[in-house]
Amino acid sequence: KAGVTQTPRYLIKTRGQQVTLSCSPISGHRSVSWYQQTPGQGLQFLFEYFSETQRNKGNFPGRFSGRQFSNSRSEMNVSTLELGDSALYLCASSLSGPVTNEKLFFGSGTQLSVL
Amino acid sequence: DQQVKQNSPSLSVQEGRISILNCDYTNSMFDYFLWYKKYPAEGPTFLISISSIKDKNEDGRFTVFLNKSAKHLSLHIVPSQPGDSAVYFCALTGGGSNYKLTFGKGTLLTVNP
Repeated sequence: KAGVTQTPRYLIKTRGQQVTLSCSPISGHRSVSWYQQTPGQGLQFLFEYFSETQRNKGNFPGRFSGRQFSNSRSEMNVSTLELGDSALYLCASSLSGPVTNEKLFFGSGTQLSVL
Repeated sequence: DQQVKQNSPSLSVQEGRISILNCDYTNSMFDYFLWYKKYPAEGPTFLISISSIKDKNEDGRFTVFLNKSAKHLSLHIVPSQPGDSAVYFCALTGGGSNYKLTFGKGTLLTVNP
């Protein structure tokens, strides 16, 4: 079974631009979560989608948005990029979501650098 | 306010010895606790978990202990191997944290040959 696939692997953007990141979950998984990892800050929750519905959203500004398609693939978008948005963006999938004993499967991430 | 704390940013141990990684939390509503391991340039991978109804769970060289009264979680690795060198994150879920994991900032474990 193929794992979680994130594209692109690396991105370099300049301040003010926008960016779209893509995530293909493991086949059969309907939940997709997004996390931001910055040095010294661990993984910060962005949002979680299940069957095209956002079920939870983290404490990020409205510049961060996402969506999920009917095939469970997900995209996240960051508009008006700021230097502080430079981070590793991780996508994770699971059958029904991060509840109780269900573990998440992570992709390798997209490393975003904002110059 | 940081709900999950891993107070040791790094830990260095000798091969064959025990590694103990710690995690403290503040929200007593968390009811499921997981450990993830992360190598550079890769996503985190699930290692071991424990529910709030237990105080210990073992899987091979890895054991997780939960002390609910102290709101403390620990991961023991015995014996430690150089391949265990990675960043370890504790992650908690449940209660009001629906559909998300709340992660600690991670501990970099280095196992020296």
